[in-house]
Amino acid sequence: DVKVTQSSRYLVKRTGEKVFLECVQDMDHENMFWYRQDPGLGLRLIYFSYDVKMKEKGDIPEGYSVSREKKERFSLILESASTNQTSMYLCASSLTQASGNTIYFGEGSWLTVV
Amino acid sequence: AQSVAQPEDQVNVAEGNPLTVKCTYSVSGNPYLFWYVQYPNRGLQFLLKYITGDNLVKGSYGFEAEFNKSQTSFHLKKPSALVSDSALYFCAVRERNTGFQKLVFGTGTRLLVSP
Repeated sequence: DVKVTQSSRYLVKRTGEKVFLECVQDMDHENMFWYRQDPGLGLRLIYFSYDVKMKEKGDIPEGYSVSREKKERFSLILESASTNQTSMYLCASSLTQASGNTIYFGEGSWLTVV
Repeated sequence: AQSVAQPEDQVNVAEGNPLTVKCTYSVSGNPYLFWYVQYPNRGLQFLLKYITGDNLVKGSYGFEAEFNKSQTSFHLKKPSALVSDSALYFCAVRERNTGFQKLVFGTGTRLLVSP
């Protein structure tokens, strides 16, 4: 079974703090993703990575950056957290870029910015 | 651009009755279609996908979905609902093409199965 692990399930941060969300997958997948989930908006893609040190912007990259130093690890960084970044963040991975490949999700990280 | 519509915010069904969660999609080419389920405070779990071949796709937990190209639909079905099926269900579409194709999600449908 594919396992995507998000180390922090629940976080509370103050406005202006730098926030790191970590994600690890154990299936040697090439692609990794960060999504944000908000009620009524579904899932929106923030960033994705198709290889180590490679990254591409998704639909809503503003206010976020990412890091992929190792194939199994993909980090989402909020340089200066704001209250409108309070949300559920989902990390995901897939084997390759092929469109038919399934994307597998982690358990999610609930971030509250106060 | 790709898009997915889940026209019902919530579907209510009694345990033991059949259930349907609706999904329609729009892509410029041929689609790959996916269903995911999300239980409270959890991530998304993959249920099933349509790639090619038989229009009726069977997936996890007794769910199935029917691809209908003429109606651009991919409705999720189960013959007999369980209370434990109560969750949030997402339909997603990806265009069949080379290179990276974004997976586009619907806004989700909450399924409530009553005892």
